[in-house]
Amino acid sequence: QKEVEQNSGPLSVPEGAIASLNCTYSDRGSQSFFWYRQYSGKSPELIMFIYSNGDKEDGRFTAQLNKASQYVSLLIRDSQPSDSATYLCAADTGGFKTIFGAGTRLFVKA
Amino acid sequence: DGGITQSPKYLFRKEGQNVTLSCEQNLNHDAMYWYRQDPGQGLRLIYYSQIVNDFQKGDIAEGYSVSREKKESFPLTVTSAQKNPTAFYLCASSTEFSSYNEQFFGPGTRLTVL
Repeated sequence: QKEVEQNSGPLSVPEGAIASLNCTYSDRGSQSFFWYRQYSGKSPELIMFIYSNGDKEDGRFTAQLNKASQYVSLLIRDSQPSDSATYLCAADTGGFKTIFGAGTRLFVKA
Repeated sequence: DGGITQSPKYLFRKEGQNVTLSCEQNLNHDAMYWYRQDPGQGLRLIYYSQIVNDFQKGDIAEGYSVSREKKESFPLTVTSAQKNPTAFYLCASSTEFSSYNEQFFGPGTRLTVL
């Protein structure tokens, strides 16, 4: 059973701090990894994807991938109350199949 | 303005009824997907389609059916055989021209069984 595991949280950080979200995946054949943000009652919105080991930065967001450890993370710098949402980690296992984690709830306190 | 639309936003079903959820995209994407999301759980794949007139079962296809007669449309029918259909249903699409299969989601349909 291919799985993506995330801590459900909630993760609470003060405004302006760095939020660190993590996930692990079981399928070593996974090639691409995604972070989606989902506000309550809304659909997921793609914010980052990464496919190479190392870091990928986009504005306040940095995705990190370590394929040897089967570990993906998302750092949010200068966290804002508007970043409060559930963050879904996902892994593309090939053949048009993407496995989603259950998500980590993030609260950014003003 | 490209995107994915789903209708209705909210749907109420009586037990024993079949209902159909609509999904339309104007992104010219080849692949389309249906997911189910339950509270506190990740998205689970119901069906997916890579091309017109072809689709494959996902992990939880029992009690559901789909069709793909047009590239733009991928409707999902929730049949009376689905014992616990109350959930948030999400349609997504992706393009074959990306190597990474990033998927883009519609706004979702929330189905409640009365």
